[in-house]
Amino acid sequence: DTAVSQTPKYLVTQMGNDKSIKCEQNLGHDTMYWYKQDSKKFLKIMFSYNNKELIINETVPNRFSPKSPDKAHLNLHINSLELGDSAVYFCASSQDIYAGHSYNEQFFGPGTRLTVL
Amino acid sequence: EDQVTQSPEALRLQEGESSSLNCSYTVSGLRGLFWYRQDPGKGPEFLFTLYSAGEEKEKERLKATLTKKESFLHITAPKPEDSATYLCAVHYTGGFKTIFGAGTRLFVKA
Repeated sequence: DTAVSQTPKYLVTQMGNDKSIKCEQNLGHDTMYWYKQDSKKFLKIMFSYNNKELIINETVPNRFSPKSPDKAHLNLHINSLELGDSAVYFCASSQDIYAGHSYNEQFFGPGTRLTVL
Repeated sequence: EDQVTQSPEALRLQEGESSSLNCSYTVSGLRGLFWYRQDPGKGPEFLFTLYSAGEEKEKERLKATLTKKESFLHITAPKPEDSATYLCAVHYTGGFKTIFGAGTRLFVKA
């Protein structure tokens, strides 16, 4: 059973298009995250939700809009895609961001490689 | 400024040649330091959580230690299958964020 799954695994699209990435976790965790990993492999937090509530919203263009329909799902919609959006996007989950350190061990999905042409 | 710095950027070892990776951090209100392993084309895989200075955790050939300003990941007698990027991450009270370091790419040659 896959703990954190993402779809699609690869996404190739033209500049200006709108696309979505979906994430689901079956670990029963309360907190979910979106990270962007650039070409230099640097992993940077974009958003975090706890129990469907947005709690971390980093300096990300408002073309990026996360949505959490329930605790187990966190989707990422991107409008008007730009060349600089090309990266690998990772979804992750942890037990509870507000609890002790052991509750913040994050489990990552396999990533979605987005290529904007 | 809150940040996490890993060194070296890359490390090439012969099989059996032990070494250490470093993670130094400058954050206030540490809530946990985490080590992850990332293989090419995959998501990071959790290895260890450390919280208190002096704490140590071990798993097979890996041992992680923590001081007030840095953590070390010691690799004893590495094997080629230990080749991966090792990421350090710090969770702190500043907005309950987690900051990742840039990683150390480890290559172990048979």
